[in-house]
Amino acid sequence: GENVGLHLPTLSVQEGDNSIINCAYSNSASDYFIWYKQESGKGPQFIIDIRSNMDKRQGQRVTVLLNKTVKHLSLQIAATQPGDSAVYFCAEMSGSARQLTFGSGTQLTVLP
Amino acid sequence: DGGITQSPKYLFRKEGQNVTLSCEQNLNHDAMYWYRQDPGQGLRLIYYSQIVNDFQKGDIAEGYSVSREKKESFPLTVTSAQKNPTAFYLCASSIGGNQETQYFGPGTRLLVL
Repeated sequence: GENVGLHLPTLSVQEGDNSIINCAYSNSASDYFIWYKQESGKGPQFIIDIRSNMDKRQGQRVTVLLNKTVKHLSLQIAATQPGDSAVYFCAEMSGSARQLTFGSGTQLTVLP
Repeated sequence: DGGITQSPKYLFRKEGQNVTLSCEQNLNHDAMYWYRQDPGQGLRLIYYSQIVNDFQKGDIAEGYSVSREKKESFPLTVTSAQKNPTAFYLCASSIGGNQETQYFGPGTRLLVL
């Protein structure tokens, strides 16, 4: 039968605008978080990470914010470019096994 | 050129056949992982290995097997017991210990004939 995939949340932004991608994580014991970017047909690419003892971390054009009170993570991309179009995943890690649990992703589309 | 390589890029499986996906890394990472990705979904952990000659089941290990005889290599076999093998398979590695960041290979797309 036909394989119907899930519809990802989508975000469309104009080139040059700032993007904010949100992620609600599930485990209050998670102590490490990563944002990945995945282009179509490729493996995920590491963007930025943050530990639970921080609430903000900045990289080149990207900022990750962590709100442990409401279990919320966000990725801010400044001056969004066409090359930023991709699916963005957040991942959380907890426990002694140190396994990553991935969210379902957000499709970012940059409009010219 | 350091990194993680996966081969082949596309793999076709006939019903009842076992197929093996290759994953090699030259990053000197201790830990390696296999994930499955279905359309429009996140990654699910199949197996992982923290050190040579040791591996653990992930969340969806049924129908899969692995080996870790060398630090650089972590092949995944999709057995005939896996009834829905069509997916994008991703291999990752991390330094290990307290260094948890996982870096991914380019993936192998498995299709059933």
